Amino acid sequence: TQLLEQSPQFLSIQEGENLTVYCNSSSVFSSLQWYRQEPGEGPVLLVTVVTGGEVKKLKRLTFQFGDARKDSSLHITAAQPGDTGLYLCAGGVGLSGQNFVFGPGTRLSVLP
Amino acid sequence: DVKVTQSSRYLVKRTGEKVFLECVQDMDHENMFWYRQDPGLGLRLIYFSYDVKMKEKGDIPEGYSVSREKKERFSLILESASTNQTSMYLCASSLFPKWDKGPFYGYTFGSGTRLTVV
Repeated sequence: TQLLEQSPQFLSIQEGENLTVYCNSSSVFSSLQWYRQEPGEGPVLLVTVVTGGEVKKLKRLTFQFGDARKDSSLHITAAQPGDTGLYLCAGGVGLSGQNFVFGPGTRLSVLP
Repeated sequence: DVKVTQSSRYLVKRTGEKVFLECVQDMDHENMFWYRQDPGLGLRLIYFSYDVKMKEKGDIPEGYSVSREKKERFSLILESASTNQTSMYLCASSLFPKWDKGPFYGYTFGSGTRLTVV
């Protein structure tokens, strides 16, 4: 069974600070995704990474897939209150989505 | 704006009741999924469907069933609700990559149904 761990579980920071959250597994994934979930809503896909060592940027968010495709990180530069939410990573193999597993998430709170 | 719509945001049901959670997507996606989300446990797959009338068990199918009579609609059924089924239920859909190539495109989720069984 594939398992994903995320750290930290909770993070509270001031507006303008930088942060990094992590997603780790002992399994190799063919692709890994990051989602953000705001209170009362479903998760929204932020990015998909598929190649070991791949780095993708989405405005102030930088995503990296580990060389061995077992881990990933999300770095936020100059965090804003709008970044507040639950960040979920999901990794899997295959093409149809049924083999994806989700981590428990990192709950981020950015204070003004 | 494409979307996945879940029929109820909040539901309160009594133990033993039969509960129907409805989900509709307007993106012509082949795949549809039902997850439950519990604090500290993440999202766990209950059932998924890759075509009309087709269904596959996920990781935690016990106590649940599903129905997919039309491509756009996927229903989750709690045959006899129990208190341990109190949870947030999330429906999602996805495309199946063409020609068996490429990575999984990702899920589009609905807003969720928070079910409380008392």
